[in-house]
Amino acid sequence: DAGVTQSPTHLIKTRGQQVTLRCSPKSGHDTVSWYQQALGQGPQFIFQYYEEEERQRGNFPDRFSGHQFPNYSSELNVNALLLGDSALYLCASRHTGQGYGYTFGSGTRLTVV
Amino acid sequence: AQSVTQLDSQVPVFEEAPVELRCNYSSSVSVYLFWYVQYPNQGLQLLLKYLSGSTLVESINGFEAEFNKSQTSFHLRKPSVHISDTAEYFCAVTNTGGFKTIFGAGTRLFVKA
Repeated sequence: DAGVTQSPTHLIKTRGQQVTLRCSPKSGHDTVSWYQQALGQGPQFIFQYYEEEERQRGNFPDRFSGHQFPNYSSELNVNALLLGDSALYLCASRHTGQGYGYTFGSGTRLTVV
Repeated sequence: AQSVTQLDSQVPVFEEAPVELRCNYSSSVSVYLFWYVQYPNQGLQLLLKYLSGSTLVESINGFEAEFNKSQTSFHLRKPSVHISDTAEYFCAVTNTGGFKTIFGAGTRLFVKA
């Protein structure tokens, strides 16, 4: 049984460009959260999706947007990239009715140059 | 709002010695508490969680954590560490609504031979 799958694993973009990161949750999971982890820091909550709706959002600008599809997979979009957006982006999933621990993917390493 | 403070950024320890990684949290509402482990170039893995009931929770690989409501702490302990326990450990808190998980900055456990 595959866990959380993220693509791509690594990505290099130029300032001002736009990027889309993808996540397939673990089988049976319906809730997806996205986190940004800068080097040497803990993950920072971006937003959470459930039933294709954004349920809660962290302190991130509107340049960060997301989507959840009917099959529960999700995308994170970042527009107008800044150098400070360079980080590991983690997707985490869980089933709404089964406790609150998340299963994390291995992340997408985004470098903005 | 919730917050998490991990009191030590790095903890070096010799193999087979005991270790304690400290975590304090702040919240005005009831919370669930977690410890996650992150190995290099990987996503986070759930180590253990406290949702309710017994305040002492254990993981399958010998770690344990105790929820102390009066001291708002959730310290992680292991009586005898192995080289393979070298990793980054993150304490996290979620409000009982479960929408948003807040992570601490992490503690790097370095086990020396």
